[in-house]
Amino acid sequence: QQQVKQSPQSLIVQKGGISIINCAYENTAFDYFPWYQQFPGKGPALLIAIRPDVSEKKEGRFTISFNKSAKQFSLHIMDSQPGDSATYFCAASRGETSGSRLTFGEGTQLTVNP
Amino acid sequence: DAGITQSPRHKVTETGTPVTLRCHQTENHRYMYWYRQDPGHGLRLIHYSYGVKDTDKGEVSDGYSVSRSKTEDFLLTLESATSSQTSVYFCAISDLGQGSSGNTIYFGEGSWLTVV
Repeated sequence: QQQVKQSPQSLIVQKGGISIINCAYENTAFDYFPWYQQFPGKGPALLIAIRPDVSEKKEGRFTISFNKSAKQFSLHIMDSQPGDSATYFCAASRGETSGSRLTFGEGTQLTVNP
Repeated sequence: DAGITQSPRHKVTETGTPVTLRCHQTENHRYMYWYRQDPGHGLRLIHYSYGVKDTDKGEVSDGYSVSRSKTEDFLLTLESATSSQTSVYFCAISDLGQGSSGNTIYFGEGSWLTVV
């Protein structure tokens, strides 16, 4: 059972454009929503994360928008660059107790054309 | 980069043989995890450890076992490898539980396993 649904599977944007990746979750107990970036041949790395008490978090060109009522959150990459070409994963987890588990989305392969 | 070393990085093995993947960390982090990554499935948790000799199952634990006899080492064993276990395996570490706000989970560079 996939508790976090991610779309699109792949995305192609032009340099300077905006990349948008969406995720939807089912479990209303989730309270931590990170995004991971993965380059080919490498492990995923934390990019940005949000908790549901805020609707938006921005770090440089990367922004998470969070809609608690719709149970959706999205990653926006402004001024997309070829170096942003990677696979992006959203994830969600609940609580801070030991053993809390991250549930990942299926991933989005982003290609930014020069 | 976080001090995580996975070995072997690439392995081809035959169906029915046992396989052990090793994860070694130099960060002294309490939590260690094994994930597998497959197209269309993202990353799925196999097993995790919250201390020496303390382990628990993840969502796809069937056919896998783990051991952690030292803080720095977490071993993943495929007891009898099957073709469905062909995957990329990632070890990860964290100082706090996965869900902790602000906690960062660091991933290793992966082990590519092919079962023929």
